Amino acid sequence: KAGVTQTPRYLIKTRGQQVTLSCSPISGHRSVSWYQQTPGQGLQFLFEYFSETQRNKGNFPGRFSGRQFSNSRSEMNVSTLELGDSALYLCASSLAGRNTEAFFGQGTRLTVV
Amino acid sequence: GQQVMQIPQYQHVQEGEDFTTYCNSSTTLSNIQWYKQRPGGHPVFLIQLVKSGEVKKQKRLTFQFGEAKKNSSLHITATQTTDVGTYFCAGPTGSGNKLVFGAGTILRVKS
Repeated sequence: KAGVTQTPRYLIKTRGQQVTLSCSPISGHRSVSWYQQTPGQGLQFLFEYFSETQRNKGNFPGRFSGRQFSNSRSEMNVSTLELGDSALYLCASSLAGRNTEAFFGQGTRLTVV
Repeated sequence: GQQVMQIPQYQHVQEGEDFTTYCNSSTTLSNIQWYKQRPGGHPVFLIQLVKSGEVKKQKRLTFQFGEAKKNSSLHITATQTTDVGTYFCAGPTGSGNKLVFGAGTILRVKS
C-alpha cells in the first residue's frame, strides 16, 4: 500500500511569509503527527491530529498550527516565518490506537531566507 | 517534561566491528520504539519493545528494554556499510501517539 505522502518536498520562503504543508497518511491511518527536525534540536513534536481533532500539542509558538480533514489528510501552517523555522518537517501516520508505530513521510524541506 | 537521552552522539566504526547505542528516559515508559534514518532520508520504524527486560533480535540487531522500563539499548553485531545512518529511540508520552525522541546516534562505518 502507498506510504505517507508529503507535499511539497522542498520550499523556499521569505521571512515574514506564511506556508502550508500537506500530508496524506497511509490509508486507514487516522492519527497524523507532525515533527520538526533540525540539526541542533533533533526531532521535535509539533502536534498530533486524530479524527479531525488535535489530540496532542508540543511546545511551539502559536505561529504553528494544523488541521485534519475528514479523509485524515492533514495540513500544517506556519505564519510569519522566521529564519529559525528552516527545517525538515516530517509527518507521521499511525493507526488509531495509542503508542503505535509511526510511519514517516519523506518530509518537506523548508528554507526561510 | 519527559526527556529521552541518547548516547553516544556519534560513532565511527570499522566494518565488522560492533556498535551500541543507549537510551535513557527520565520517566518510566509504557514502551520504547527505535527508528533508523539513512542520510537524506526519513525515520523508519525498526521495532517496539513493551515488556520489562524484553530482548528482541532482528538479524544482527539486538534490542533490549530495561527492567525498570526507563532505559534501552540497540546493539549491532559486525556492522556493515548498509548500517550507516542515525538511530533514534523514542518514548510515548501522554495520550495518543506523541513521541519524545532521543537526539539520535549517528553511525558511520568505514570499509
